[in-house]
Amino acid sequence: DARVTQTPRHKVTEMGQEVTMRCQPILGHNTVFWYRQTMMQGLELLAYFRNRAPLDDSGMPKDRFSAEMPDATLATLKIQPSEPRDSAVYFCASGLEVGTEAFFGQGTRLTVV
Amino acid sequence: AQSVTQPDIHITVSEGASLELRCNYSYGATPYLFWYVQSPGQGLQLLLKYFSGDTLVQGIKGFEAEFKRSQSSFNLRKPSVHWSDAAEYFCAVGDSWGKLQFGAGTQVVVTP
Repeated sequence: DARVTQTPRHKVTEMGQEVTMRCQPILGHNTVFWYRQTMMQGLELLAYFRNRAPLDDSGMPKDRFSAEMPDATLATLKIQPSEPRDSAVYFCASGLEVGTEAFFGQGTRLTVV
Repeated sequence: AQSVTQPDIHITVSEGASLELRCNYSYGATPYLFWYVQSPGQGLQLLLKYFSGDTLVQGIKGFEAEFKRSQSSFNLRKPSVHWSDAAEYFCAVGDSWGKLQFGAGTQVVVTP
């Protein structure tokens, strides 16, 4: 059963610490998305990749967030330094080609205290 | 730039009654349209999608949606809701680059 896998599922960290979230897209999918979900802002697109190249990361705060795809089986989202306002659920999704559905992972619930 | 509006933040419906969730989009070309459902603590699951062709699309769990270009709408419907349909529903529009923009979501509560 193919699925997007995100780790960790939950993360509590102190303000100022580095946080790394990982995503394993579905094998063969060439598009990867990072979304952030909060009560106030809903689902915000942070970044997305096609064939491991970043297409758009305009939704990300550049000073503290970075997204990479070291290889086709791993996408990472890093926050350094983390702040309480970064507390949210971060979703990774992957897709096969333009116009097809995106498959979502279970999310990483981040709490920054 | 594309955008999606879901006018209803919250809807309460009785079990067995019909349900309609509204979605309006803004996009310059023919959009790719999606409805996703999210249960508490879970990721998003695709209910249905529209790319082209028949404007009435059928999805999983008995849902359907109708694309109306003239109204820029893609409303989701279900003839008879079940208690398990209580969840949050998101409409999304995709562009030619595959970028998905989501609406704010509609929370559906099902009463006995």
